Amino acid sequence: QSVLTQPPSVSGAPGQRVTISCTGSSSNIGADYDVHWYQQLPGTAPKLLIYGNTNRPSGVPDRISGSKSGTSASLAISGLQAEDEADYYCQSYDSSLSGWVFGGGTKLTVL
Amino acid sequence: VQLVESGGGLVQPGESLRLSCAASGFTFSSYGMAWVRQAPGKGLEWVSTVTSGGTGTYYTDSVKGRFTISRDNAKKTLYLQMNSLRVEDTAIYYCSRKAVVSKSWFDPWGQGTRVTVSS
Repeated sequence: QSVLTQPPSVSGAPGQRVTISCTGSSSNIGADYDVHWYQQLPGTAPKLLIYGNTNRPSGVPDRISGSKSGTSASLAISGLQAEDEADYYCQSYDSSLSGWVFGGGTKLTVL
Repeated sequence: VQLVESGGGLVQPGESLRLSCAASGFTFSSYGMAWVRQAPGKGLEWVSTVTSGGTGTYYTDSVKGRFTISRDNAKKTLYLQMNSLRVEDTAIYYCSRKAVVSKSWFDPWGQGTRVTVSS
């Protein structure tokens, strides 16, 4: 069981908008530690998608955005494209565990 | 920026293995580094982090006392010595650079090296 909770799967049609939630607790997201998001395409290494809750690295399109509130965070992808089909992971730091933590991952299916 | 892992393989329970991660394209000695693993069909799990100078090391509970992270800044190489391996250590092990900001994100990631622990 992961410290950060994500839905196992989400889906949407091309062009639609989907959101992926990441729920933590008072020892991680609620303790004001930042949330970061990664995309993992099938058979490849994870790639940083969002850092510091809302920031996009160079090369990540602006139809991808992140937000954080309280003990939760969300990743939003608008204008869904077939190439967005992947696994998505949130990540933060946990003071109780004294370590970095990941969500269990969410599989995005583009219908 | 490139990270290339090596050293994975098939070992029996109780045996040891040392992973390496060769870094290039950035000032290796300025960054903390980490190992993150992914068991077959499962999600990502942080394993260990080492500070830029190598003096600070951190581990997830399940590997404490069995794994040792280290680095050679002159060789721009990160290591993970894995002893007393268990079946549940079977995973792809990724090397990643930790951002300079404290307790932050990992970017970029290597392609991973596969470790299989089986009798």
